[in-house]
Amino acid sequence: QKEVEQDPGPLSVPEGAIVSLNCTYSNSAFQYFMWYRQYSRKGPELLMYTYSSGNKEDGRFTAQVDKSSKYISLFIRDSQPSDSATYLCAMSNNNDMRFGAGTRLTVKP
Amino acid sequence: KAGVTQTPRYLIKTRGQQVTLSCSPISGHRSVSWYQQTPGQGLQFLFEYFSETQRNKGNFPGRFSGRQFSNSRSEMNVSTLELGDSALYLCASSLTGRSGANVLTFGAGSRLTVL
Repeated sequence: QKEVEQDPGPLSVPEGAIVSLNCTYSNSAFQYFMWYRQYSRKGPELLMYTYSSGNKEDGRFTAQVDKSSKYISLFIRDSQPSDSATYLCAMSNNNDMRFGAGTRLTVKP
Repeated sequence: KAGVTQTPRYLIKTRGQQVTLSCSPISGHRSVSWYQQTPGQGLQFLFEYFSETQRNKGNFPGRFSGRQFSNSRSEMNVSTLELGDSALYLCASSLTGRSGANVLTFGAGSRLTVL
């Protein structure tokens, strides 16, 4: 079993849809949770950063962490074609950082 | 503030050759991590350098090596290239490391094609 599991997709949605991206993990020591967005031919860029359990909202993006279930989510509201990218979850503790494999998202106009 | 700069952006090599990739981190960042990204495997950690010392190493063969200079710039080298080494190689810098509350800032990557 991988330490971080992320559905690779691809995921295709119409413009305006609500998108839900998810990751599960096995190491309960992870405390910091991140979502990176990677456009084609670019490096990943930090999108959301949360510490421990709870929700964090930034515009159309909401990151949710449920440490009891070892499950994190990223919600995108009113999705736009410009949101088309690969989304990678990442998590860290005091010793290590792990990434999910990434979910490729396409938002169709 | 300049971001993480990787050179070259694209390169083509043949099997058996070697390649050196360069990474200039964000000014003030002392940690540089290298990752290999492929469609099937996602982001695979290669190694991390901090203050010119390798601090962590992923599960890659000895053909993959790296170093960091006193100005925090880093290079990675792959010797005796194999077809399976074709990938996007990403460099990421952070203030003190790839753990805890640190955030990694990635470069655009060096895309290596091995023929």
